[in-house]
Amino acid sequence: DVKVTQSSRYLVKRTGEKVFLECVQDMDHENMFWYRQDPGLGLRLIYFSYDVKMKEKGDIPEGYSVSREKKERFSLILESASTNQTSMYLCASSAPVGGTEAFFGQGTRLTVV
Amino acid sequence: AQSVTQPDIHITVSEGASLELRCNYSYGATPYLFWYVQSPGQGLQLLLKYFSGDTLVQGIKGFEAEFKRSQSSFNLRKPSVHWSDAAEYFCAVAPYGGSQGNLIFGKGTKLSVKP
Repeated sequence: DVKVTQSSRYLVKRTGEKVFLECVQDMDHENMFWYRQDPGLGLRLIYFSYDVKMKEKGDIPEGYSVSREKKERFSLILESASTNQTSMYLCASSAPVGGTEAFFGQGTRLTVV
Repeated sequence: AQSVTQPDIHITVSEGASLELRCNYSYGATPYLFWYVQSPGQGLQLLLKYFSGDTLVQGIKGFEAEFKRSQSSFNLRKPSVHWSDAAEYFCAVAPYGGSQGNLIFGKGTKLSVKP
């Protein structure tokens, strides 16, 4: 079975903390993505990466950065967490253009207090 | 800009009844289309996808969807709903030239099932 694993299901962090959300996939996919999910807003793309050390901004990159040092791992970084970043974060991976659909992790529910 | 509209925020159906969830998209070229399902507290699972060819696609769990280019729609259907189908359903479109993972999602339709 294909697998996308997010390191934490639930996180509680304080305002101003630097937060790392980790995602690992075992499918040797080139593409990896971070989405944020909020009620009534659906899923919004934060950042994506088509290759190691490559990153592209999505629709809502402000307040976030990413790191992809290895093909299988894609990290989302909240430089200084704020309460409006309380949300569900979903990681996904996919093969390159012409490949298969996106596979999602179980999500990390982050609460910033 | 590309967009996906799911007009129904919440739908309630009786167990055993038929189901249709609506999805309309705004897109300049032939899109790749997807339906995902999300159970509470879980990630997203792909139900079905349309890339090309037959406009009626079959998915898992007895779901099907029909692509209608003239209506820019990709509605999801199931002939007989089971209580375990209660979940949130997301329609998504892949932008032209992008990876199928770079998806644009609708805001979702929450399905409740009455006994």
